[in-house]
Amino acid sequence: GESVGLHLPTLSVQEGDNSIINCAYSNSASDYFIWYKQESGKGPQFIIDIRSNMDKRQGQRVTVLLNKTVKHLSLQIAATQPGDSAVYFCAENFGGATNKLIFGTGTLLAVQP
Amino acid sequence: DVKVTQSSRYLVKRTGEKVFLECVQDMDHENMFWYRQDPGLGLRLIYFSYDVKMKEKGDIPEGYSVSREKKERFSLILESASTNQTSMYLCASRETGGPNEKLFFGSGTQLSVL
Repeated sequence: GESVGLHLPTLSVQEGDNSIINCAYSNSASDYFIWYKQESGKGPQFIIDIRSNMDKRQGQRVTVLLNKTVKHLSLQIAATQPGDSAVYFCAENFGGATNKLIFGTGTLLAVQP
Repeated sequence: DVKVTQSSRYLVKRTGEKVFLECVQDMDHENMFWYRQDPGLGLRLIYFSYDVKMKEKGDIPEGYSVSREKKERFSLILESASTNQTSMYLCASRETGGPNEKLFFGSGTQLSVL
């Protein structure tokens, strides 16, 4: 899973399997969360978001789960494809006057053919 | 789709040079941001701007300044580049400063300071 720190966790999955990427966020008052995907040499790309009044949100092949009790966020990718290989990181909206986003360090998803 | 364009993909500069990183967005977004991304450290906010001619320091503003003369353009300036400013720089924009608004990122500028 992902956490703020100096290492980049790696998740290796077989093509066609489901992937689960985890994120521990820091502020119990954060009210909005986003998952980004960053391919090598590119900028981060929005995948899916969720507000704190929801526990689950689904997109195309992706699902985000939010557990506010333990401050945990997860991204599930169904039927993982080689094109899903990238670094995935979560962001929490820290709220306050600036509505600042705090980013995690990311998890590298490696899809094996 | 929102397009955030960073003028340079790769830059190599020498220590002490003044460096300009340019960013343009095409969706009339009010908010713009500059981040740097370093291995193991994630994205760290350098400066942001809520509107034209407005700027706010982020978490690591030292050694940087910004300029926002037009709504679509947000420039990051390294007054005197140093080797510890070698990094990937990412520009982003957001429609408003309200809650629950996602950022749209450019492709990044990889800056090497020698």
